[in-house]
Amino acid sequence: AQSVSQHNHHVILSEAASLELGCNYSYGGTVNLFWYVQYPGQHLQLLLKYFSGDPLVKGIKGFEAEFIKSKFSFNLRKPSVQWSDTAEYFCAVNGYSGNTPLVFGKGTRLSVIA
Amino acid sequence: NAGVTQTPKFQVLKTGQSMTLQCAQDMNHNSMYWYRQDPGMGLRLIYYSASEGTTDKGEVPNGYNVSRLNKREFSLRLESAAPSQTSVYFCASSEKREVLNYGYTFGSGTRLTVV
Repeated sequence: AQSVSQHNHHVILSEAASLELGCNYSYGGTVNLFWYVQYPGQHLQLLLKYFSGDPLVKGIKGFEAEFIKSKFSFNLRKPSVQWSDTAEYFCAVNGYSGNTPLVFGKGTRLSVIA
Repeated sequence: NAGVTQTPKFQVLKTGQSMTLQCAQDMNHNSMYWYRQDPGMGLRLIYYSASEGTTDKGEVPNGYNVSRLNKREFSLRLESAAPSQTSVYFCASSEKREVLNYGYTFGSGTRLTVV
């Protein structure tokens, strides 16, 4: 069965600090990987995704993620966070065909303080 | 605006009561999903429908039933609500050809409290 582990439950950063959120997955095959963001009181929005090609993918709002196949990881990064990045971040995975439902990690809450 | 519409947005039920959460999408997507979100647990799949006329259990289906009424609508029913079903419920839709580019489209959620 697929599973996703997010290492940090709650991360607190000052504005302009760099961000890295960990995500590891377990799946016996080729995968598609996603990061979603949920701002307070809102629904999930797609931040970025990887399914093939360059393992370093760039998303919206300056976020990027790197797929490292040997480590089964897909960590999210941002060089300099802003207060508006305060949100919950979810890593998700499904099989390469895209036919299976997304499996989500438990989420990481990011709080950015001034 | 195109997207996924969920009703109601908030609901309080007494233990043992029944209710149906409604979900409709206007993007002509084939696949629809119901997830529940609980603090520290992330999103867990309850049921999904890969296409009109089919439904399958997800990770946490107990206590729920679903109906794919047509291509647009996918409802979630709680026959006898329990406090453990207090959660935020999200409906989502996707199209196989598009999911790798656009992911899932989520509704705004239904916050359900069972007392």
